[in-house]
Amino acid sequence: DQQVKQNSPSLSVQEGRISILNCDYTNSMFDYFLWYKKYPAEGPTFLISISSIKDKNEDGRFTVFLNKSAKHLSLHIVPSQPGDSAVYFCAATSNAGNMLTFGGGTRLMVKP
Amino acid sequence: DTAVSQTPKYLVTQMGNDKSIKCEQNLGHDTMYWYKQDSKKFLKIMFSYNNKELIINETVPNRFSPKSPDKAHLNLHINSLELGDSAVYFCASSWDREETQYFGPGTRLLVL
Repeated sequence: DQQVKQNSPSLSVQEGRISILNCDYTNSMFDYFLWYKKYPAEGPTFLISISSIKDKNEDGRFTVFLNKSAKHLSLHIVPSQPGDSAVYFCAATSNAGNMLTFGGGTRLMVKP
Repeated sequence: DTAVSQTPKYLVTQMGNDKSIKCEQNLGHDTMYWYKQDSKKFLKIMFSYNNKELIINETVPNRFSPKSPDKAHLNLHINSLELGDSAVYFCASSWDREETQYFGPGTRLLVL
């Protein structure tokens, strides 16, 4: 039973435009959410996170939005760059329990 | 300097063999993890160790035995390898009770 879902396996965006990656979760105990970026043959690298007490967190070109009532979060990348092409994983945890539950990932392709 | 390193990067072996994967982190973290990424690309927690003590074991077969000689190292030993063990194994580390985890580059295990 997947508690964290990324329903879009892939997304293609033109360079300079906005990329929006979505993530849904079912476990209402989750209180902290993270996005990781993964290049082929490398480990996931931490990108940005958000606590459930917030609804938005911004870091440069990356913004994460959290809608607790809908159990939905999204990652916005503006403007998108070809170097952003990677697989993006959404992850969630509860009570700093140290266990991350990951979504299945979305492959983002940014075309020059 | 690599923050979280794993050896070997690739491992090809026969069914029934025993193998080990090593992980080291130089971030000073006190918690380390093993994740498995299966053929469907889902990342799932296997084990979590805090200060050399096991704190999470997510119903992993007892053929898998993690060993932590000190808080900077968490090795994974697998007995009697099966075809289904073929996957990418990622080591990660973090501070205890902190959500952000830092991942190694992965070990690609292929069991023939």
